[in-house]
Amino acid sequence: AQTVTQSQPEMSVQEAETVTLSCTYDTSESDYYLFWYKQPPSRQMILVIRQEAYKQQNATENRFSVNFQKAAKSFSLKISDSQLGDAAMYFCAYLQDFGNEKLTFGTGTRLTIIP
Amino acid sequence: GAVVSQHPSWVICKSGTSVKIECRSLDFQATTMFWYRQFPKQSLMLMATSNEGSKATYEQGVEKDKFLINHASLTLSTLTVTSAHPEDSSFYICSLQRPGLAANEQFFGPGTRLTVL
Repeated sequence: AQTVTQSQPEMSVQEAETVTLSCTYDTSESDYYLFWYKQPPSRQMILVIRQEAYKQQNATENRFSVNFQKAAKSFSLKISDSQLGDAAMYFCAYLQDFGNEKLTFGTGTRLTIIP
Repeated sequence: GAVVSQHPSWVICKSGTSVKIECRSLDFQATTMFWYRQFPKQSLMLMATSNEGSKATYEQGVEKDKFLINHASLTLSTLTVTSAHPEDSSFYICSLQRPGLAANEQFFGPGTRLTVL
């Protein structure tokens, strides 16, 4: 079974600084997707960024970027120019391609932004 | 992105009663919906996969007779917590996958907070 590990239960960063959240996963598959979801205090899950495993290029979405290391099974999220609205729980998630649509979530990292 | 609604957003009930939670897709038809449970300060745990027109598929350890799922139409799935007890108090979230969308993105509802007294 696939597992997703987030080893940082809590992180904090100064406003406008950069922070990196870690995620590792375990799978024997070669085709899959990885996601970072944000869950603010409202509890609404919001997709931050996605990465297809077959793509070597790291995904970027404005201030958010990932460092995808397929061989190391690592998928970290970098948030640049941190803003107060970035404060939330961040979940890393894995989705196997073709036939299995179930997301496997990590345990989450609570990110605090220090004004 | 897709719009997913859940109703109610929060509910308080007495122990032993049943509670129904609705999950609606507002802008496209979803053949598959997912139900998650999230305890405070914990991650989302998949409870079951809801398939339109067929029986739901439950994850290991989830009691199908206690958590009844009905996916009666392509826009509505319901989760009924039967004979609720205080340990069923949790945050319940549904999600759906948009057919044909790249990267198999799931869209999440806003969640329902259930408190059983």
